[in-house]
Amino acid sequence: QSVLTQPPSASGTPGQRVTISCSGSSSNIGSNYVYWYQQLPRTAPKLLIYRNDQRPSGVPDRFSGSKSGTSASLAISGLRSEDEADYYCAAWDDSLSAVVFGGGTKLTVL
Amino acid sequence: QVQLVQSGAEVKKPGASVKVSCKASGYTFTGYYMYWVRQAPGQGLEWMGRINPNSGGTNSAQNFQGRVTMTRDTSISTAYMELSRLRSDDTAVYYCTRGPNRDDYIDFDYWGQGTLVTVSS
Repeated sequence: QSVLTQPPSASGTPGQRVTISCSGSSSNIGSNYVYWYQQLPRTAPKLLIYRNDQRPSGVPDRFSGSKSGTSASLAISGLRSEDEADYYCAAWDDSLSAVVFGGGTKLTVL
Repeated sequence: QVQLVQSGAEVKKPGASVKVSCKASGYTFTGYYMYWVRQAPGQGLEWMGRINPNSGGTNSAQNFQGRVTMTRDTSISTAYMELSRLRSDDTAVYYCTRGPNRDDYIDFDYWGQGTLVTVSS
């Protein structure tokens, strides 16, 4: 069981907007930054969103992150086939003194 | 350019230990924490621990305390993760990744290529 809760799957058609949720608690999302990682098949994860809503250089602005209270969301607009991947949220947990990840969401582009 | 290059795949028997290396280049090794994350086949990401290459101080996840040892050699900009008393459920890809030297900033902007560790009798 992961400390952060994500839906196991999500899907959309090309051009659509999809959102992936991430739910935590006051000791992680509620008091620290949220991060999102994208993992394409058979590759290492890639930083997609950092510190709630910041995009590293090179990440398209189709990807956006938000946080409210103890939950966060990743939104992908203008869905493309190459967005098909696993997406993980992560945060520092003050109670555990640990990095905690969500269980991951497999995004399928139909 | 920043690179993290990990050692090659390993096959170990249950009860043995494995040591994975992660050689950093393209940045000041002591300026960033080095984290270790693993991923079992078909599963999600699991944080194992981190080392401050500057001080050598470490933090590890509760699940691995007593079994994981993280070290570094600053002279060759290399971090190491050793996992002992291996079990079959330790079969996974092990990644090193760097993060800012701040507890709550987990901007893992560069990752190693991953090292597959297979535990099998």
